[in-house]
Formats: sequence, structure tokens, C-alpha cells
Amino acid sequence: DTEVTQTPKHLVMGMTNKKSLKCEQHMGHRAMYWYKQKAKKPPELMFVYSYEKLSINESVPSRFSPECPNSSLLNLHLHALQPEDSALYLCASSPATTGRRPGTEAFFGQGTRLTVV
Amino acid sequence: AQKITQTQPGMFVQEKEAVTLDCTYDTSDQSYGLFWYKQPSSGEMIFLIYQGSYDEQNATEGRYSLNFQKARKSANLVISASQLGDSAMYFCAMRDPGGSNYKLTFGKGTLLTVNP
Repeated sequence: DTEVTQTPKHLVMGMTNKKSLKCEQHMGHRAMYWYKQKAKKPPELMFVYSYEKLSINESVPSRFSPECPNSSLLNLHLHALQPEDSALYLCASSPATTGRRPGTEAFFGQGTRLTVV
Repeated sequence: AQKITQTQPGMFVQEKEAVTLDCTYDTSDQSYGLFWYKQPSSGEMIFLIYQGSYDEQNATEGRYSLNFQKARKSANLVISASQLGDSAMYFCAMRDPGGSNYKLTFGKGTLLTVNP
């Protein structure tokens, strides 16, 4: 099973709403990631969790709040978003090992297309 | 800081022909990993192929091969016998081998269109 599952696939929310994006993997990976991708651009890293601890925060605004409740799940809590936050949000996972050998690739989910109105 | 450059915003290829997508990178590290991903319009990033900096042979995965030229710092993706389903955005990426083993740096991508 090399699948990363993200829910929901599409989300429309108002600027005063609170919502959550969910990500799940059962590959035993101990590194999980959130990326934001605008149209026709490469993904931009937001957060990395390693062994359920926040390892990297790429200076993301506090209206985005990540959570890693266990080794299989990753959430992204959204609150008071702006229209410019509309994007594709991708979750990924990988082994938490050095990146010199095969098998360290990151597997991505299908993403959540978020629209903030 | 690392940098990945994909100089071809768009490429066109006829079905059944081969196509090369360019990728150059810049790093001062000796140990690094290079990846290619495919992203169809559906949005999912699909892992295609991996090349390690210490790998002596070019990586191959089915119709995908990586033309790795370490001295020139290039890692071009070759797709043989193109199919209509290969139409997608292709991203070259490098894993940060330094303080963080996890961060992937992506190029800007190349949009490949396969014509029937």
C-alpha cells in the first residue's frame, strides 16, 4: 500500500470559518509533510513532522495550524483564511531517513482543492 | 542554498516518440538525492524515478530513465514511447541533504503535451 489519502478533495470555506484538512498513510512512514501549491507553480513546503514532532515550519501564518495526532495521521486546521490562501494543499509522507538511497521518496496524496470566499 | 532549474515551461511530443525533460541543479553538497514527479491535472504528485548522487548507473523505471551527468549537474528525464496519458506537469526535485533530510526543493516544472 503506497497510498496517502487526503480528505476532503474539495473544500469551499468562508473567511470566518474553521475547517480541517486530513491526511492518512499506512506505509509506516515517520515523516509527514504539508505543501501548498498555487496554479501553475511548484509545491511550496509548509510543515514537516518527524516522529510526530514538528520539525520544520516554513514561516507559515498562524491561521494554519498543523497537528500530528499519531504516526499515521496529519491534520491541518484552518481558521480565518484569506482568499489568497486558495490553493491545492498536498500532504506527503516518507521514511524519516537520510536521502541518499532509493526508498526515501515522498509519496503524495491527491490533494485538497481549497477555495476561500 | 539549493536550486533546481527546469528551463522548458512547455514541451510537445508525438505519441510513441521519446522526449527529454531538462533539469539542472545547484548544490555544494556531495550527497544528495534527485527525484522526478508527474502531476496530472487531477493534482496528485506521482513519484517516477530517483537518482542518488553516489549512484554510478543512471536510474531506470520502465519507460522512464534519468540521464544523470554529475559533473554538469544535470538530471534529465527521458520518457520513451510517449503515451497520451503522459500529458502532465513534470517536476524535478532535490532532497535537502543538510540539516534537514526531509525538505524537497522543486523546479518550476515542465508541462508536457503528447499529441496523437
